[in-house]
Amino acid sequence: QVQLVESGGGMVQPGRSLRLSCAASGFTFSAYGIHWVRQAPGKGLEWVAVIWYDGSNTYYADSVKGRFTISRDNSKNTLYLQMNSLRAEDTAVYYCARDRYYYDSSGYYNWFDPWGQGTLVTVSS
Amino acid sequence: SSELTQDPAVSVALGQTVRITCQGDSLRSYFASWYQQKPGQAPILVIYGKNNRPSGIPDRFSGSSSGNTASLIITGAQAEDEADYYCNSRDSSSNPVFGTGTKVTVL
Repeated sequence: QVQLVESGGGMVQPGRSLRLSCAASGFTFSAYGIHWVRQAPGKGLEWVAVIWYDGSNTYYADSVKGRFTISRDNSKNTLYLQMNSLRAEDTAVYYCARDRYYYDSSGYYNWFDPWGQGTLVTVSS
Repeated sequence: SSELTQDPAVSVALGQTVRITCQGDSLRSYFASWYQQKPGQAPILVIYGKNNRPSGIPDRFSGSSSGNTASLIITGAQAEDEADYYCNSRDSSSNPVFGTGTKVTVL
């Protein structure tokens, strides 16, 4: 079945780096854009970044721009999130989610499906 | 801060109907999608497009949109529908943005 599995989370000190991975299976990974979305403890969902199906374009939330880098290896069906200069406010569960969309005469439709189970990143001294 | 506003919490009696709203200017241009999240679990998609349900989502879930407001309607709420619900659309930079979330309690 279509599945995304995150890994790489853990506890890290402020200012340090961490790389998350998201392994995909059950679909043609190279045909889809993939997002990272995070959720701080007890808070709502926050979109973090997206990468196009071929890696040609990436977009970031202002809160992580210049510190985080999204990338992918389509030969390994894996998505990455390199997180540098980590801050306490980056503490969250990080989810990867597949991008879906279509257009019709009424407009543009976009959604996230499926989501991975998430990996917890804790930034603390 | 989110550009999509939701009521923080709503309650509904078992078997009754509840409407969860999401307001934002971007909803005049982009259709919303909706996600259900239960404690300790990842979000799952419940409504996408104009009013489409993924396989496995009960038909008591439906969506609608008018002007700057999108709605998720649960008709005949069940105990298992108790969860947090988030809408999603685009912000002023055309990046994805999530609503503030609504906690649904089934009484």
